[in-house]
Amino acid sequence: AQSVTQPDIHITVSEGASLELRCNYSYGATPYLFWYVQSPGQGLQLLLKYFSGDTLVQGIKGFEAEFKRSQSSFNLRKPSVHWSDAAEYFCAVVGGSYIPTFGRGTSLIVHP
Amino acid sequence: DTEVTQTPKHLVMGMTNKKSLKCEQHMGHRAMYWYKQKAKKPPELMFVYSYEKLSINESVPSRFSPECPNSSLLNLHLHALQPEDSALYLCASSQDGVGVVGELFFGEGSRLTVL
Repeated sequence: AQSVTQPDIHITVSEGASLELRCNYSYGATPYLFWYVQSPGQGLQLLLKYFSGDTLVQGIKGFEAEFKRSQSSFNLRKPSVHWSDAAEYFCAVVGGSYIPTFGRGTSLIVHP
Repeated sequence: DTEVTQTPKHLVMGMTNKKSLKCEQHMGHRAMYWYKQKAKKPPELMFVYSYEKLSINESVPSRFSPECPNSSLLNLHLHALQPEDSALYLCASSQDGVGVVGELFFGEGSRLTVL
């Protein structure tokens, strides 16, 4: 069975600063990996996904993520954070069950 | 149209009430999902319908009863709920049926409060 760990419950950054949210997965083969964002009171929206190929994937809203097989990681990055990026971020892994397993989420707080 | 629409947005019900949550998508997606989300927690999968057939039931109590009348609609019937069932209920859809990995498209959710 697959699992995913998001080690940081909260991350606080200043507007304009860079951002990295961590995600580690456990799965015996190459998984499918996703990052979703959830604004308060909203559903989840896909930021980006990795299925195969280039390990650096670009997503919406200026986000990118890098798949590192050796570290079982799929960290999310953004070079300059905007106040509107404050939200909950979920990493998800899909293995043999074809159903995503979500991490517990990381809450991003942006200071002006 | 890339939306998943959920109604109602908010629902308050007593423990003896019967109510339903509704979800609709017109993207031609073949799989539809119900998730339950408590505050500050990840979504927990409840049910998956694939090609209008119940494909996955994650050992959900029988007081929750899903229904998929057609490929665009998904209902969740609620009866004799408990206060601990209060949560955000999210509907999602994906283009292909279970067995093909793809993006989930989520609705905004129905906020349920059980008194």
